[in-house]
Amino acid sequence: KAGVTQTPRYLIKTRGQQVTLSCSPISGHRSVSWYQQTPGQGLQFLFEYFSETQRNKGNFPGRFSGRQFSNSRSEMNVSTLELGDSALYLCASSSGTYTDTQYFGPGTRLTVL
Amino acid sequence: ELKVEQNPLFLSMQEGKNYTIYCNYSTTSDRLYWYRQDPGKSLESLFVLLSNGAVKQEGRLMASLDTKARLSTLHITAAVHDLSATYFCAVVWGAQKLVFGQGTRLTINP
Repeated sequence: KAGVTQTPRYLIKTRGQQVTLSCSPISGHRSVSWYQQTPGQGLQFLFEYFSETQRNKGNFPGRFSGRQFSNSRSEMNVSTLELGDSALYLCASSSGTYTDTQYFGPGTRLTVL
Repeated sequence: ELKVEQNPLFLSMQEGKNYTIYCNYSTTSDRLYWYRQDPGKSLESLFVLLSNGAVKQEGRLMASLDTKARLSTLHITAAVHDLSATYFCAVVWGAQKLVFGQGTRLTINP
């Protein structure tokens, strides 16, 4: 079974631009979560989607948004990029049930100049 | 708000030795995960602990959960160099939201 895939793997943007990251979950998984990893703040939860609905949201500004499509693929968008948005963005998929493990993708490394 | 704390944050040890990483969390939860991360890589799932007293073992790693003490441990037995990595515990907080500890950077020297 193929794992979680994320595209692109690396991105370089400048301040003020916007960016869209994509995540394809493991086949059959309906839940997709997004996390931001930085050296200073560690791993932080952004949001989770299940069957095209946002179920959970972390404490990030409204510049961070996401969506999920009917095939469970998810996109995350960051508008008006700031230097502090430079991070590794990780996507995780699971079946969405209470006891299921979340499996992480390889991540997208975003650098904001 | 749920807080998850790991200690130690850095651990340097010799091959063949045993050690334990501790993960404390502040609010009741009955699901806890351990992940491994190699430099520049993603997170690899090691264990999921679903109930009080749960113990899981894989090779030289053993994880346990005490929900009453809000404590999980990851024990390393007879460490080998290949186990060098950063280890994270994560507690489930509301459906699928994971709250991570700071991570423990483990270096195993020959």
